Parts: sequence; structure tokens; C-alpha cells
Amino acid sequence: DTEVTQTPKHLVMGMTNKKSLKCEQHMGHRAMYWYKQKAKKPPELMFVYSYEKLSINESVPSRFSPECPNSSLLNLHLHALQPEDSALYLCASSQRADGDGNTIYFGEGSWLTVV
Amino acid sequence: GNSVTQMEGPVTLSEEAFLTINCTYTATGYPSLFWYVQYPGEGLQLLLKATKADDKGSNKGFEATYRKETTSFHLEKGSVQVSDSAVYFCALSDLTDTGRRALTFGSGTRLQVQP
Repeated sequence: DTEVTQTPKHLVMGMTNKKSLKCEQHMGHRAMYWYKQKAKKPPELMFVYSYEKLSINESVPSRFSPECPNSSLLNLHLHALQPEDSALYLCASSQRADGDGNTIYFGEGSWLTVV
Repeated sequence: GNSVTQMEGPVTLSEEAFLTINCTYTATGYPSLFWYVQYPGEGLQLLLKATKADDKGSNKGFEATYRKETTSFHLEKGSVQVSDSAVYFCALSDLTDTGRRALTFGSGTRLQVQP
């Protein structure tokens, strides 16, 4: 089972709203990731959590706030977003964040539209 | 720094044609190499991987061989189907400055297979 589950699949929010994206995996993975993908572009890394601790923040604006409540869950809290933040947000996980040959498994993504 | 270069798309083929999508990389360490596939409106699925030189990854009729001497990881399939139409991303995983592995993606190659 290599499943990463993301909810919601689609989200439309106004620039003053607060919303959250959720991600769950039950593979016993200890590394979880958020990526952002704009249309016709490759995914870009936003955050990496390793053993529930934030280990990489790729200079992401503070209107995006990640949270890792436990080893199976990863949230992305959204507040005061801009229309240019509209994108596909992909959650991913791997066994560890530092192992050789580590495979990163992606979820189906959450399509976010900011109006 | 690390980088991945893929051939420009779209690649348009007739069903049962032979497929090659070129991928070359630059890395400072000893990366693992991956091909991911993204079908329309979906997240990324791992297609195949190779973790060291001369390894061959294979899945669903697709193959790629890790060539350290040419820093390449070209994707091939002997006979494509309409259902193979998707965007294909070549990626490498290497240690970042923080000691954590992260994926570096190529720009993606769109494959269109016509009946």
C-alpha cells in the first residue's frame, strides 16, 4: 500500500479566508512533504518534515503555515492568500528524509483556487 | 547545484510506436534517479527508479538505465498505448545542505499517443 490521501480535492477560497489542506499516510513513513505545482510546471518543494519536525522551509511566505500533528498527518494552513497562489498542492511522504534510494510517494493533490 | 534537463515536448506518437524521452542530470553527490508520471488532473505516480550506476528501473513496459558516464536516465518503451498519454517527469534525489534528501524535477515532457 503506497497511498497518500489528500483532502479536499478542490478548494475555492477568498483572499480573506482561512482554510486548511490535509494529508494522511499510513505507511509508517517518517518524512512528509508539501509541494506546489503551477500549470505546466514541475512541482516545487515548499516544506519537509522529518520525524514530525520541520527540517526544510524553502522560503515560503508566512501565509502558508505547515503543521505535523503526528507521524501520519500533515496539514497546510492557508490565510490571506493571493490569486497567484492558485495551484495544485501535492503532499508526499517517504520512509525517511535522509536515506539512500528513498522513494517519495505523492498524493493526488488539492486544487486550490484563490478568488 | 543539482539540475535535471528533459527534452522539450509535446512528443506525439502513434499507437505501438517506440518511445524515448531523454533526461540528463547534474548532481554534486550520488543521486537516486526517478521517473514520475502525471495523468491529466491527477497527482504524480512513481513510474520507476534506479539508485546506483548501471541499475535499470522498469515498470509497465517502461525502462530506464542509470548511466553515470553520460549522466543520463532516458525513458524508453517499446510500444506505446493511448493510455500512456501523460506528462513524464524525470527527477533526482540528492542530499541538500541540511542533510535531507529532496527531489529536483525536470520540466516535464508531455506525451500524446494517437490511435
